[in-house]
Amino acid sequence: AQSVSQHNHHVILSEAASLELGCNYSYGGTVNLFWYVQYPGQHLQLLLKYFSGDPLVKGIKGFEAEFIKSKFSFNLRKPSVQWSDTAEYFCAAKTSNTGKLIFGQGTTLQVKP
Amino acid sequence: GAGVSQSPSNKVTEKGKDVELRCDPISGHTALYWYRQSLGQGLEFLIYFQGNSAPDKSGLPSDRFSAERTGGSVSTLTIQRTQQEDSAVYLCASSWGGAGVTTGELFFGEGSRLTVL
Repeated sequence: AQSVSQHNHHVILSEAASLELGCNYSYGGTVNLFWYVQYPGQHLQLLLKYFSGDPLVKGIKGFEAEFIKSKFSFNLRKPSVQWSDTAEYFCAAKTSNTGKLIFGQGTTLQVKP
Repeated sequence: GAGVSQSPSNKVTEKGKDVELRCDPISGHTALYWYRQSLGQGLEFLIYFQGNSAPDKSGLPSDRFSAERTGGSVSTLTIQRTQQEDSAVYLCASSWGGAGVTTGELFFGEGSRLTVL
């Protein structure tokens, strides 16, 4: 069955630390990949997406993600986190020929000032 | 409207009662999604619509759950004979789409928090 899994459920970092959140998917065929973010008290919003082309994609607020097809992974990275990055992060995937978007369990990131 | 609108924002009901949750998507968005968000469970896919039809309703937990969309716009998620395990935040999202698929770039509403006593 199609699924998305996120390795870390809760991550605590100090400001300026580097971030990497893991995401793996189990899909066949062409896959579209996404990271969404939910800041405290706000609704979910798109952080970045990968459809095709350059496997390293850049999103808002300095985030980037790398699609590694051989590893079925789409990890999210940021070189230096800020307190304002405290939020819940969700990885999501869909095949290119359907609209069904499946989300991972989410990772709560807490950044200490 | 400017964004996805959901109502009610909060609903407290007694076990066994029926509830209806409403979603008003962004104007012009052809795709509409329902998800359920429970503590520690992430976002659970329930159903999505392309126009008024639902290509995939595989995520509906049981036959107590149903959803419809009319006029390619407003959608209603109905839960009959509610149970305590139905307590969650129900999220609606909409997206541009065409040719039977969507872009996957979803715009979410604030959610409807359902509490079943």
